Amino acid sequence: EPEVTQTPSHQVTQMGQEVILRCVPISNHLYFYWYRQILGQKVEFLVSFYNNEISEKSEIFDDQFSVERPDGSNFTLKIRSTKLEDSAMYFCASSFDRGSYNEQFFGPGTRLTVL
Amino acid sequence: QKEVEQNSGPLSVPEGAIASLNCTYSDRGSQSFFWYRQYSGKSPELIMSIYSNGDKEDGRFTAQLNKASQYVSLLIRDSQPSDSATYLCAVNAPRDGYNKLIFGAGTRLAVHP
Repeated sequence: EPEVTQTPSHQVTQMGQEVILRCVPISNHLYFYWYRQILGQKVEFLVSFYNNEISEKSEIFDDQFSVERPDGSNFTLKIRSTKLEDSAMYFCASSFDRGSYNEQFFGPGTRLTVL
Repeated sequence: QKEVEQNSGPLSVPEGAIASLNCTYSDRGSQSFFWYRQYSGKSPELIMSIYSNGDKEDGRFTAQLNKASQYVSLLIRDSQPSDSATYLCAVNAPRDGYNKLIFGAGTRLAVHP
């Protein structure tokens, strides 16, 4: 069964460093998302992406964040200058459709630890 | 006002019983509703989606939706210890263009033998 994959599974970085989290969405899906979950808290939407541009972004997704689809399979989230509060699980998700019936499938996540 | 609310639990049920998980949402225009299961340290796994008022059954799982009451629930029949997890309710918000899922904090379910 097709699935979303993410690398790395765990990333440790120093505050102020740049990190890139990578995702390979399900192959026939067209819509891509990043969510994050701080330990013990809700899953929070960060950004959605379609046709090589951002569709929506949350207030969390400030200028320190960017997303890119560098080729036909990868979808990346870059954090330019990490802060302690960026420590969280980051989940990539994808869906075939948009609109009110889209089912989003999540990858296994990347645990980001900022020291 | 919280957008999606769930009881945090834990909800403890004996093996073989029916577990009932509830969720309310604030945006009356919401159109689609999802239940995800999340094991500790893992990612959310989609188990049910529901779009119309009434019941939708899939195996041991039944999702129920009442848009007038802004209420969605998940029933798990013949609960197994492997069902022990946190169950997340997620809602698709029309004012955000339907791309964004808004999650509740989740209800922790514990099924004991």
